[in-house]
Amino acid sequence: GDSVTQMEGPVTLSEEAFLTINCTYTATGYPSLFWYVQYPGEGLQLLLKATKADDKGSNKGFEATYRKETTSFHLEKGSVQVSDSAVYFCALSVTGGYQKVTFGTGTKLQVIP
Amino acid sequence: KAGVTQTPRYLIKTRGQQVTLSCSPISGHRSVSWYQQTPGQGLQFLFEYFSETQRNKGNFPGRFSGRQFSNSRSEMNVSTLELGDSALYLCASSPGQGAGTGELFFGEGSRLTVL
Repeated sequence: GDSVTQMEGPVTLSEEAFLTINCTYTATGYPSLFWYVQYPGEGLQLLLKATKADDKGSNKGFEATYRKETTSFHLEKGSVQVSDSAVYFCALSVTGGYQKVTFGTGTKLQVIP
Repeated sequence: KAGVTQTPRYLIKTRGQQVTLSCSPISGHRSVSWYQQTPGQGLQFLFEYFSETQRNKGNFPGRFSGRQFSNSRSEMNVSTLELGDSALYLCASSPGQGAGTGELFFGEGSRLTVL
């Protein structure tokens, strides 16, 4: 079946540090890949997406590149802010397949001033 | 445009009771998905509805059920509550042909505590 594996948290960084959150996947079809973010007390929000190999999704300074050869979709940001503190979820879906999105377990990021 | 609305936001029940949670999707969205979120298991898929039809179901016991109405609003029901059902229940709606596109718009969730 489909699955997503992402690095364990929590991740604690100082403001302006470089962020990488690793994500790898297995899929029965040809998936689209996503990063969602959940701020405290809120539901999840779509952060960025990529629908085919070598696509780069980007939003709010975050980037992730769809690497088919390594089945990875790592999230990066060059300079994190305190406001980026949240839980980040890597996810995949197979369009036209099972009509569901499969999520990783989430990685909590804490950014300290 | 109003977002996804879930009610109630918080509720406390005792073991053996049942609970019904409601979700109003974004206007025009015909797909509604439900997820259970717990610290230990993360986000677990419950089911997805599209135009009143359940198209996919996760690996949960039959105590968990749902339905969707003609206006796309959805409800989920959990009967004979167990302590392990304590969780944040998230509803998400999707545009177009539904959750398979991966673009989910989430509500803030209903936090259920079972005592």
